[in-house]
Amino acid sequence: NAGVTQTPKFQVLKTGQSMTLQCAQDMNHNSMYWYRQDPGMGLRLIYYSASEGTTDKGEVPNGYNVSRLNKREFSLRLESAAPSQTSVYFCASSRTGFSTDTQYFGPGTRLTVL
Amino acid sequence: DAKTTQPPSMDCAEGRAANLPCNHSTISGNEYVYWYRQIHSQGPQYIIHGLKNNETNEMASLIITEDRKSSTLILPHATLRDTAVYYCIVRVSFTGANSKLTFGKGITLSVRP
Repeated sequence: NAGVTQTPKFQVLKTGQSMTLQCAQDMNHNSMYWYRQDPGMGLRLIYYSASEGTTDKGEVPNGYNVSRLNKREFSLRLESAAPSQTSVYFCASSRTGFSTDTQYFGPGTRLTVL
Repeated sequence: DAKTTQPPSMDCAEGRAANLPCNHSTISGNEYVYWYRQIHSQGPQYIIHGLKNNETNEMASLIITEDRKSSTLILPHATLRDTAVYYCIVRVSFTGANSKLTFGKGITLSVRP
């Protein structure tokens, strides 16, 4: 039982390049989330998926797209990376979409955009 | 969600109990108290949560005052691996984007050998 896994762990991009961050969970959770964490800013929600087949915008969705491929996998795509997207990205999952439900986090992807 | 107040930092000796306080004086009756922690460079980790009663699990104990205006997270035998930022959060049940987690500054616990 690996919990929430994310790939890659580290990535360096040039401005304008695209990439997809992968996330998978093996806990049979319905809801999945993508956050970014910047120094001194705390967690900010980018996108979330309440259940398979649904996705919705969070606080900071601009510049990102997501795909809930199946119940296990939720990917985050940067179509044209910008330096402002340099951050640590965390994927999380929870059994339901209720805020009182525990969220379980992956180890993070550290992205640098030059 | 109610606001929480935590001291910025504390330390404790390895093997001793670490008592981390949290003030949530504006908490309402249907809000839960949650604790997460984030060890440097890792993803946030759920520790424990409670509504009214004290709670204990394999990681920690949560003591909530009778008026629910404050709580204490207790790590009974702190180890060096418990050095982390600990976040106290109060949350009412929402679905959707409101289910996002919002961390304040938290309290940095340093466990010394």
